[in-house]
Amino acid sequence: DTAVSQTPKYLVTQMGNDKSIKCEQNLGHDTMYWYKQDSKKFLKIMFSYNNKELIINETVPNRFSPKSPDKAHLNLHINSLELGDSAVYFCASSPNRGAGGYTFGSGTRLTVV
Amino acid sequence: KQEVTQIPAALSVPEGENLVLNCSFTDSAIYNLQWFRQDPGKGLTSLLLIQSSQREQTSGRLNASLDKSSGRSTLYIAASQPGDSATYLCAVYGGSQGNLIFGKGTKLSVKP
Repeated sequence: DTAVSQTPKYLVTQMGNDKSIKCEQNLGHDTMYWYKQDSKKFLKIMFSYNNKELIINETVPNRFSPKSPDKAHLNLHINSLELGDSAVYFCASSPNRGAGGYTFGSGTRLTVV
Repeated sequence: KQEVTQIPAALSVPEGENLVLNCSFTDSAIYNLQWFRQDPGKGLTSLLLIQSSQREQTSGRLNASLDKSSGRSTLYIAASQPGDSATYLCAVYGGSQGNLIFGKGTKLSVKP
């Protein structure tokens, strides 16, 4: 009964491929996020959805496209993968747009070769 | 723009010591502050959430304080154990950004 679950946990792929990461939360939260943790371990927001509506879209290449089919799911699709996309991607959710604290998934380690 | 700074970047202590991790933020207009723990290759585990109206929160051997007006928080760990070894992340929500802003973390090593 994991609260925020991401799949896959590891993803190794070649440059130029398209891949997706899925995220689901069973906490009943309204808001979901994608964060990227770079090689220096710094976490930075990429996107945020509130009740399926995009509310935060940071300066991210348009090869990255989030999709939220319902408020419990937020997927991340990445086109034309590049070496620099290698990182750990974390999904998170929160009630009341963050006022109730964030819960993070266990992360997806993406390696582009 | 909100910036979060954590000092020190790394800390090594012998088992049994009490220790303090520091976090500062530039925009005091926050809703809350959250401390997380991250083990190598793992996700983030929430340790403590302090709302802006609160001064501190406690969980077991952990105590986090918040001084919103001065833009500071501390995480106090009592009687440290080797199992406490991890990276501790401070993050604030609110201010000019509507999302959680992280510091770069303090990497803690507790030696047996």
